[in-house]
Amino acid sequence: EDQVTQSPEALRLQEGESSSLNCSYTVSGLRGLFWYRQDPGKGPEFLFTLYSAGEEKEKERLKATLTKKESFLHITAPKPEDSATYLCAVRTNYGGSQGNLIFGKGTKLSVKP
Amino acid sequence: NAGVTQTPKFQVLKTGQSMTLQCAQDMNHNSMYWYRQDPGMGLRLIYYSASEGTTDKGEVPNGYNVSRLNKREFSLRLESAAPSQTSVYFCASSEAGVLDTQYFGPGTRLTVL
Repeated sequence: EDQVTQSPEALRLQEGESSSLNCSYTVSGLRGLFWYRQDPGKGPEFLFTLYSAGEEKEKERLKATLTKKESFLHITAPKPEDSATYLCAVRTNYGGSQGNLIFGKGTKLSVKP
Repeated sequence: NAGVTQTPKFQVLKTGQSMTLQCAQDMNHNSMYWYRQDPGMGLRLIYYSASEGTTDKGEVPNGYNVSRLNKREFSLRLESAAPSQTSVYFCASSEAGVLDTQYFGPGTRLTVL
């Protein structure tokens, strides 16, 4: 069964304290891994797409990496405005239809000043 | 561009009542999606429309119907609401098909009493 697991469920950091969020997956043929940011009461906001092991993408203080079994979202010197829930999703085949996303439950990040 | 818009933002229904959630996108995207998000669970796909004129079931379609009204609009209907349908509903769209990045709307928070 295709599955996406994110860890930790919640992470509290001090401003400037770098860390990583994990997304592990078991799918029958990865066709893309996506990272989204979700603020309370809002819809997910697209951050990155990764397609193959070894691929990396960066945006400001965020860097996403991908291996054959997991992805990491590295946060360097975070600021309070980085506080949000970060969602990971993988694209695979579902129910005979190609391209649907399977989401993890998310990691809630809190950055204290 | 407004991106993906959803109406209403909040709704309270009584068990057995019906309602339609509206979604529109102004990005000229071909594919549109409806998800639900429940506490402690990842986003789950209800229905999607790969292109105008087509709709397909996702992971949790029971109790819902959809209509792809035109290229811009995709509605979700609850014919006889049940408390189990209390959730936050998100609409999303993607450009060239189900293989492209999905962009989400702000969500509709639905409570069924």
